[in-house]
Amino acid sequence: AQSVTQLDSQVPVFEEAPVELRCNYSSSVSVYLFWYVQYPNQGLQLLLKYLSGSTLVKGINGFEAEFNKSQTSFHLRKPSVHISDTAEYFCAVKVVNDMRFGAGTRLTVKP
Amino acid sequence: DVKVTQSSRYLVKRTGEKVFLECVQDMDHENMFWYRQDPGLGLRLIYFSYDVKMKEKGDIPEGYSVSREKKERFSLILESASTNQTSMYLCASSPAGVISGNTIYFGEGSWLTVV
Repeated sequence: AQSVTQLDSQVPVFEEAPVELRCNYSSSVSVYLFWYVQYPNQGLQLLLKYLSGSTLVKGINGFEAEFNKSQTSFHLRKPSVHISDTAEYFCAVKVVNDMRFGAGTRLTVKP
Repeated sequence: DVKVTQSSRYLVKRTGEKVFLECVQDMDHENMFWYRQDPGLGLRLIYFSYDVKMKEKGDIPEGYSVSREKKERFSLILESASTNQTSMYLCASSPAGVISGNTIYFGEGSWLTVV
């Protein structure tokens, strides 16, 4: 089965600084890639997804991610973070009907 | 809007009890999933189902079983609950087939405590 590795379990950053949350995957077949966000005491919601086409994908709240097939990566970026971006972020990979998630990265934005 | 509803938000059960977690989706999705979420481990797939009466094991099926008798409903069963099954359980659904890359939608989660 496919698998996902999120390289950082915690990322602290100051408000208005840029941030990158790293995600690598492994799969022997073509994949679909996703980033989900979970705010404190809430369910998961979709930030963005890569299905095909342009490798740079834009999502909600100013986030974007770039699919790099040769490096099997799908890193999430935001040029300037806000306090409200404090949350846990999950990278996920889907093959046909099977979807697997990474262990999550806790982003903490400090004033 | 897609709605995935988990029947219980918070449950407390005793060791050895049989526990049922119910999930219903209203979008006629073929695929349904059960994950558990634990700090530092992310979401781990327990079972998924791609059709009525069909199921596939995920990464951690031991101690769990599932039932999908109707398309809209996917139940997770803990045959004999143990304390290491204390966790947040998340149900999800998604369409399948040629649009299998589509998003999966999550329920609010069920917090299960086994004492």
